[in-house]
Amino acid sequence: AQSVTQPDIHITVSEGASLELRCNYSYGATPYLFWYVQSPGQGLQLLLKYFSGDTLVQGIKGFEAEFKRSQSSFNLRKPSVHWSDAAEYFCAVGSGGYQKVTFGTGTKLQVIP
Amino acid sequence: NAGVTQTPKFQVLKTGQSMTLQCAQDMNHEYMSWYRQDPGMGLRLIHYSVGAGITDQGEVPNGYNVSRSTTEDFPLRLLSAAPSQTSVYFCASSDRGGEKLFFGSGTQLSVL
Repeated sequence: AQSVTQPDIHITVSEGASLELRCNYSYGATPYLFWYVQSPGQGLQLLLKYFSGDTLVQGIKGFEAEFKRSQSSFNLRKPSVHWSDAAEYFCAVGSGGYQKVTFGTGTKLQVIP
Repeated sequence: NAGVTQTPKFQVLKTGQSMTLQCAQDMNHEYMSWYRQDPGMGLRLIHYSVGAGITDQGEVPNGYNVSRSTTEDFPLRLLSAAPSQTSVYFCASSDRGGEKLFFGSGTQLSVL
């Protein structure tokens, strides 16, 4: 069965600092990988996705993620965090097409001035 | 464009009551799904559908029923609500390519 692990429940960073959120997945074949963001009281919004090709993918709001098959990881990064990035971030894995998408437990990001 | 519409936004039930959470999408998406979100648990898949007349169970289906009579609608039924079903429920849809899930704004359900 596919699964996702986000080891960090809560992360605090200073505004302007760099950010890396960790994600490890378990999947038998080539996974479809996603990062979603959820602002308080809102639904989820897609930040970026990886299906194939270049292992470094760019997303919205200046985020990027790198797929590392050997480490079963898909970590999310941002070089300089803004206060508006405070939210909860979810990594997810799917199989493509008509897919069941499995989410991790989320990482809540706090940004301090 | 409305996207994915969920109703109601808030609901309070008593134990044993039944209710239906509504979900409708206007993007002609074949794939629709229901998730519940609980603190520290992330989103867990309840049921999903790959087209009208086709449904399947996700990770946590017990206590919930679904049906898909049209492409647009995918209601979630709680037959006898329990306090353990207190949660925020999200409906999501995607097209055949599955490149992106479109989420509704959620239904906050409390079962007393």
